[in-house]
Amino acid sequence: NAGVMQNPRHLVRRRGQEARLRCSPMKGHSHVYWYRQLPEEGLKFMVYLQKENIIDESGMPKERFSAEFPKEGPSILRIQQVVRGDSAAYFCASSPTGRVSDYGYTFGSGTRLTVV
Amino acid sequence: DAKTTQPNSMESNEEEPVHLPCNHSTISGTDYIHWYRQLPSQGPEYVIHGLTSNVNNRMASLAIAEDRKSSTLILHRATLRDAAVYYCILRYTGTASKLTFGTGTRLQVTL
Repeated sequence: NAGVMQNPRHLVRRRGQEARLRCSPMKGHSHVYWYRQLPEEGLKFMVYLQKENIIDESGMPKERFSAEFPKEGPSILRIQQVVRGDSAAYFCASSPTGRVSDYGYTFGSGTRLTVV
Repeated sequence: DAKTTQPNSMESNEEEPVHLPCNHSTISGTDYIHWYRQLPSQGPEYVIHGLTSNVNNRMASLAIAEDRKSSTLILHRATLRDAAVYYCILRYTGTASKLTFGTGTRLQVTL
């Protein structure tokens, strides 16, 4: 039973390019969460999505960042016109539908974005 | 979100028990207490969660104070592989929702 799959593991982009980060949730999980972790800092919530819907994007920067979770395929976090400050580890987590008291979240291994 | 307070760091000897404390004095009746840990260069890993009663699983035990204003994660025999940052998080039970991470406790385990 595969866990949360994120790819690529490492991504290098030049300033001004676009970065696309992918997250495939665990089988049967319909909720996806994206987090960002800057070097030597804690995890910051970015966005929470269900299939085809953005539920909570209170942590997303207002510009250049977008996320989607289509009916088919992985969730995508897109960063346009990357800048050096976007260099960070981006983690995705998934959870099933149902009583929240019954489970924890499962996280992927993350994508480490380096902007040069 | 209700806030949690944890010590910045703790040390333990290998094969000794470790008690990681967490204060959450503003916890509400609908908040679950979740613990996650993050090993170096990895994503967070779910450890355990509970509401009112103490909980045990293969990884750890969770002891919850009677007034629920504090809790303790117990690792019964620390190993070098338990060296990580441990996060205590309150999670509203109403609907699926985000986890809000604090700064956690960095656990060092030595031989």
